[in-house]
Amino acid sequence: DGGITQSPKYLFRKEGQNVTLSCEQNLNHDAMYWYRQDPGQGLRLIYYSQIVNDFQKGDIAEGYSVSREKKESFPLTVTSAQKNPTAFYLCASSGTGFTGELFFGEGSRLTVL
Amino acid sequence: GQNIDQPTEMTATEGAIVQINCTYQTSGFNGLFWYQQHAGEAPTFLSYNVLDGLEEKGRFSSFLSRSKGYSYLLLKELQMKDSASYLCALSSGSARQLTFGSGTQLTVLP
Repeated sequence: DGGITQSPKYLFRKEGQNVTLSCEQNLNHDAMYWYRQDPGQGLRLIYYSQIVNDFQKGDIAEGYSVSREKKESFPLTVTSAQKNPTAFYLCASSGTGFTGELFFGEGSRLTVL
Repeated sequence: GQNIDQPTEMTATEGAIVQINCTYQTSGFNGLFWYQQHAGEAPTFLSYNVLDGLEEKGRFSSFLSRSKGYSYLLLKELQMKDSASYLCALSSGSARQLTFGSGTQLTVLP
């Protein structure tokens, strides 16, 4: 079955540590996105990539980094520079269809202790 | 920039009809999406409007008026499983990245 796989689903981190969230898709989509969601709020765009080896900052990129070495993979690193990293992180992809509808992974919940 | 407003919470009764409004201010956009999100889960696609008017999809309909900066999601024959957050989002840019509103938490009561 085609879809987007995020791992880990739950992650705990100590302050000062970097952590990398994995996102893999087998939908053959060109575009991939990372969103952050805080309790009771909508999704905010962190980074997005339209093609391999290219990516752009979203609205809240500070303290995060990404890479796009393969079409299928778009990992997100939450660095120690991110002041408030505890959140629900969602990866998504979209194809070239009319709507550009986003398909989401199941999310990764990061808690900083 | 873009600004999207939705009511924070709504309550309705099973079997009833509910309308969730979304107003926005933007310099331009490709289209408007509605997503449903159950607690702790990823959002799932409900509808997409690019032209003014009503799009119907089973129990769900969505309306867009670009001139008024307004959209609504209409849910008919409400079921308990419809209790969820409903997110309005604008698509813009060459990457068609989405900007989301804060969501409307709908509670369906028996």
